[in-house]
Amino acid sequence: NAGVTQTPKFRVLKTGQSMTLLCAQDMNHEYMYWYRQDPGMGLRLIHYSVGEGTTAKGEVPDGYNVSRLKKQNFLLGLESAAPSQTSVYFCASSSGLQRTIKETQYFGPGTRLLVL
Amino acid sequence: DQQVKQNSPSLSVQEGRISILNCDYTNSMFDYFLWYKKYPAEGPTFLISISSIKDKNEDGRFTVFLNKSAKHLSLHIVPSQPGDSAVYFCAATRHLLMDSNYQLIWGAGTKLIIKP
Repeated sequence: NAGVTQTPKFRVLKTGQSMTLLCAQDMNHEYMYWYRQDPGMGLRLIHYSVGEGTTAKGEVPDGYNVSRLKKQNFLLGLESAAPSQTSVYFCASSSGLQRTIKETQYFGPGTRLLVL
Repeated sequence: DQQVKQNSPSLSVQEGRISILNCDYTNSMFDYFLWYKKYPAEGPTFLISISSIKDKNEDGRFTVFLNKSAKHLSLHIVPSQPGDSAVYFCAATRHLLMDSNYQLIWGAGTKLIIKP
């Protein structure tokens, strides 16, 4: 099993450009998450999904959109990138069997995004 | 306003000795705490957790202690090994159900370096 994979690993964007980050998991997990990590700060939740076709806002959703059209994929979109979105983005998934935050989250290796 | 604080950005410990990583929180409503470990170029991986009804939880070389009155938890690693060199994140939550009130608050992390 590959676990959680993220594409791309690194990307440079110009201000105003758009892009989509792809997260894929092969563990048949119900729940998926997108986080960002900035220097000197903890991970902050952007959006999450509790099942195929569902999405919900996290702590810092502004400037991002997400879609969960297939259970195994969770896409994070930046419609008009800004320098403030320079960050490392992590995707994670959890089984959803217990329906609680206690469930272990499995993380991807991250995508480093630089917006100039 | 950081509700979960890891005040030591880094910690250096001799191999074989005890490593103690600290985490403070401000929200007295938090009732479940987790530690994750992160190696460079990888996503965080779950290490150990503790519920507020306990003051200690042990898993092999890793023990987490919770002092609710002080709003403080600590992760002890005994004995420390070179493979323990990583960034350690503490996280906390007060709302366990996976619904629209999802909340898992992360600290900024402490980089642990184990010296041979």
